[in-house]
Amino acid sequence: KNEVEQSPQNLTAQEGEFITINCSYSVGISALHWLQQHPGGGIVSLFMLSSGKKKHGRLIATINIQEKHSSLHITASHPRDSAVYICAVRSYNTDKLIFGTGTRLQVFP
Amino acid sequence: NAGVMQNPRHLVRRRGQEARLRCSPMKGHSHVYWYRQLPEEGLKFMVYLQKENIIDESGMPKERFSAEFPKEGPSILRIQQVVRGDSAAYFCASSPGRTGGSYEQYFGPGTRLTVT
Repeated sequence: KNEVEQSPQNLTAQEGEFITINCSYSVGISALHWLQQHPGGGIVSLFMLSSGKKKHGRLIATINIQEKHSSLHITASHPRDSAVYICAVRSYNTDKLIFGTGTRLQVFP
Repeated sequence: NAGVMQNPRHLVRRRGQEARLRCSPMKGHSHVYWYRQLPEEGLKFMVYLQKENIIDESGMPKERFSAEFPKEGPSILRIQQVVRGDSAAYFCASSPGRTGGSYEQYFGPGTRLTVT
């Protein structure tokens, strides 16, 4: 079993829909990251969380440390949101990131 | 403030050749991380370096791979005698301090290595 699990693996939405991507992890962490990767592109850090909730524009990230679970929400989705969204955790014992396998999102107009 | 820079962006090598991937961290960052993304797979940690020191190389293959981050100049990931299975995207990230101190990692655009 992977230390970081994401769901769903693939997600298709119509423009304007509310999107939720989930991430569960099994290790003790000091922080959780949500990253975005466009096809053939680089990686952009969206959020770094250690507790609670963060919002940036149409993106909202939440984390529940007790349940070892985080969600990334996209409100009013747009075709330009189409990308792979990756959850990554930083364990207490090390500075390296452990990544989920990613959620491929396609938003159609 | 320029972001993390990697070069080359694309690299083609024949089997048996050497590949050298460079990463220049953001200004003021002294910590560098290398990650590998194999085709259709997730990202995996390779190595964590501070200037002139390897802090954690637990993700590095035991043979043919090495990394350095000298006092001056970029960090280098070196792959000797490349094989087809080394074809992947290699990303580096940098931070100003140990990320256990809640510093964020900033990613470069990646180097896409193709071994023919």
